[in-house]
Amino acid sequence: GNSVTQMEGPVTLSEEAFLTINCTYTATGYPSLFWYVQYPGEGLQLLLKATKADDKGSNKGFEATYRKETTSFHLEKGSVQVSDSAVYFCALLTGANSKLTFGKGITLSVRP
Amino acid sequence: GAVVSQHPSRVICKSGTSVKIECRSLDFQATTMFWYRQFPKQSLMLMATSNEGSKATYEQGVEKDKFLINHASLTLSTLTVTSAHPEDSSFYICSAPARPLGSSYNEQFFGPGTRLTVL
Repeated sequence: GNSVTQMEGPVTLSEEAFLTINCTYTATGYPSLFWYVQYPGEGLQLLLKATKADDKGSNKGFEATYRKETTSFHLEKGSVQVSDSAVYFCALLTGANSKLTFGKGITLSVRP
Repeated sequence: GAVVSQHPSRVICKSGTSVKIECRSLDFQATTMFWYRQFPKQSLMLMATSNEGSKATYEQGVEKDKFLINHASLTLSTLTVTSAHPEDSSFYICSAPARPLGSSYNEQFFGPGTRLTVL
């Protein structure tokens, strides 16, 4: 079956620090990969996505590259801001049923 | 982009009552919608797949008589928590797939969630 593994959290960083959040997956077929962000008290928002191997998704300074050889989709940002404090979920989608498989999520706190 | 709304955003009810949560796709049609439950500081747990015009498909361990799902139209799915108890208190989120313009893939669009508190 499909699964997504995220690094354990929470993560606390100082403003302008470099961020890496690891995500690896197992899947049948050729999944699309996503990072979702959830700000406090809100629903999920799509942060970025990649639909095939070697694609790089990017948005709001965040990037992630679809690495088929390592089955990974690590999220990176060069300089985090306090406003990036949120929960980040890695997810994959395969097949026609559009059913997402989520990782456990990781809480990022950025201090001024 | 595609927008999904949920109503209400928050609800507090007494134990034993039933609560209905609505999920609407505002600018697209959705023959399928998904209902998730999220416990504090945990991931989303898929509860069921709501299918327009047919029965919902429930994930293993989810009580279908407890969580009634009705996909009444191509833009509306409802989740009714029947005889709610404090352990049903949670954040319920729905999503619907849609294909963004120019894309060959479906993408999930999430509602803002409904916070249910059962006293």
